[in-house]
This record gives sequence, structure tokens and C-alpha cells, in this order.
Amino acid sequence: AQSVTQLDSHVSVSEGTPVLLRCNYSSSYSPSLFWYVQHPNKGLQLLLKYTSAATLVKGINGFEAEFKKSETSFHLTKPSAHMSDAAEYFCVVRSVSGTYKYIFGTGTRLKVLA
Amino acid sequence: DTAVSQTPKYLVTQMGNDKSIKCEQNLGHDTMYWYKQDSKKFLKIMFSYNNKELIINETVPNRFSPKSPDKAHLNLHINSLELGDSAVYFCASSHSTGQGNEQFFGPGTRLTVL
Repeated sequence: AQSVTQLDSHVSVSEGTPVLLRCNYSSSYSPSLFWYVQHPNKGLQLLLKYTSAATLVKGINGFEAEFKKSETSFHLTKPSAHMSDAAEYFCVVRSVSGTYKYIFGTGTRLKVLA
Repeated sequence: DTAVSQTPKYLVTQMGNDKSIKCEQNLGHDTMYWYKQDSKKFLKIMFSYNNKELIINETVPNRFSPKSPDKAHLNLHINSLELGDSAVYFCASSHSTGQGNEQFFGPGTRLTVL
């Protein structure tokens, strides 16, 4: 069965410093992995996705994530945080059998300090 | 053009009332979902329909009844509303097959039960 764990419920960084949001997954198959962002009082927006084409995935707004099979990780990074990055971030794994359910992590709230 | 739309955006009602939320997608997807997001931002899958057929039905009180009149629409009817039903409800859609098919989310419906 698939599962996903976001290792930090809250992350605080200063503006202009790097961002690292950690995600570990469990999957019996080659997974599809996603990162979504949710700004306050908004819906969820796709940041990036991994589909086995390349292990380093670039997304919108300068975010990227690296798929590491040996570590079962899919951490999200950004070289320099901006105030507008403050939001809730969700790591998601999609099951590739059965009902194709999307498994959501519990979310990481990113706070950016001026 | 709005990809996934929900109505209403806000819903305030009294305990014991019955209410409906509507969702429509114009992306040509064959699968639609309802999620509940609580105050701690946890996203919980409730239902999923594929080509109008119910494929995911999580442990949800039977006061909640989804209905999919066609592939582009998925509605949620809630009977005898309770205080604990207060949450943000998100509709989403995706293609069912193929790797890396992300979900597209609606803007959410904030339900407040008084």
C-alpha cells in the first residue's frame, strides 16, 4: 500500500534563504509523486510532479524536487524564499493500481520571515 | 476559463438542515473527487467517481450522498447537518489512467454549521 510522510508540520525560513520541505513515500510500484501548494483561503495548485521521466523535477515559482528511490524521498527545495511562498504544502503519491487513489501527506506550513 | 468550479463558495446554515454543493469541470476528465479539509488543513478523501461510477467511498456518514449526473459534474448532498460537518470541501478531477495525471482542484466551499 502507498503512503506518504511529510516530516515537518511547520518550517520557518528567512526571506532570501533556501527552502527544504521533506517528504518520504512508500510504494510497491513506481510511483507518481506530486507537490501542491495552498495559499491561505485558496484551493490547491500543482507545483510539480514526478512521472519517472527525470529524477530532478522543476516546477513553478522556482521550486524543484528530486526523486531518490534509494531513500524513498521526494523533497521540495527552492534556492531563495520569497514572502509570497508562505503557504501550506502537500506531498502526494498516487497509487497505480486499483482505484488510483491520491494519498496526501499531512501538510507542511511554510513561514517566511522578513 | 475556470477548469473546476464549485458553488457556492460559502455556505452558512443551521444544524439539522440539508444542503448541496455542486462541482463542474470542463477539462474532459473522467474521474472526480470530493475532499474534506478540516481546520488543521488535513485533506481527507470522501468519494470518487469514474465515468459516473462510484469507485471510492471512504468511511463517511451516510448523511453524505454524492451524485454524478455526468462525467463533468459531481454534486454532494448533506442531510441533517451537524456542527462537525463545518469544514472546507474541495472538488477535484483527473484522468484515471496514465502515469502522472495530476488532480485539478476547485476553489473550495467553506461550510459553516451553526
